[in-house]
Amino acid sequence: KAGVTQTPRYLIKTRGQQVTLSCSPISGHRSVSWYQQTPGQGLQFLFEYFSETQRNKGNFPGRFSGRQFSNSRSEMNVSTLELGDSALYLCASSVRDRGLRETQYFGPGTRLLVL
Amino acid sequence: DQQVKQNSPSLSVQEGRISILNCDYTNSMFDYFLWYKKYPAEGPTFLISISSIKDKNEDGRFTVFLNKSAKHLSLHIVPSQPGDSAVYFCAAKYRGSTLGRLYFGRGTQLTVWP
Repeated sequence: KAGVTQTPRYLIKTRGQQVTLSCSPISGHRSVSWYQQTPGQGLQFLFEYFSETQRNKGNFPGRFSGRQFSNSRSEMNVSTLELGDSALYLCASSVRDRGLRETQYFGPGTRLLVL
Repeated sequence: DQQVKQNSPSLSVQEGRISILNCDYTNSMFDYFLWYKKYPAEGPTFLISISSIKDKNEDGRFTVFLNKSAKHLSLHIVPSQPGDSAVYFCAAKYRGSTLGRLYFGRGTQLTVWP
């Protein structure tokens, strides 16, 4: 089974621009979460989507948004980029098995550099 | 405010010896804890987890201990191997929430030398 894929893997943007990152979860996984990893803050939760609905949202400004499509693929968008948005953006998908045990898998991330 | 803390940014251990990675948390509403390992240019990989109703969970060379009264958990790796060199993240889930929303520590870089 293919893992979580994220595109692009690397991205360079300038301040003020916007960016869209894409995540394809593992087949059959309906929950997709996004995290931002920076050296100073570690991994911080951005948002979680389940069946095209945002289920949870972290403490990030409104410049950060996301969505999920009917095939469970997800995108996140950052508008009006700031230097501090430079980070590794990680996507994770999870599934709950019949025993109600949930397992989460992370993608390799998209490295965003804002100049 | 960091609700999950890993106070040691790095740990260096000789191959064959025990590695002990520590994690503290502040919120008693956490009911499930996980450890992830991360290599450069890869996403975190799940290692082992523990429910708050237990105090120990083992999986091969990895054991996680939970001390709820101290709000502290630790990951023991025995014996340590050079391939274990990676960043280890501790994560926690709120009671009633899903694994889709985890609170992570800042990670500990483990280096296992021959």
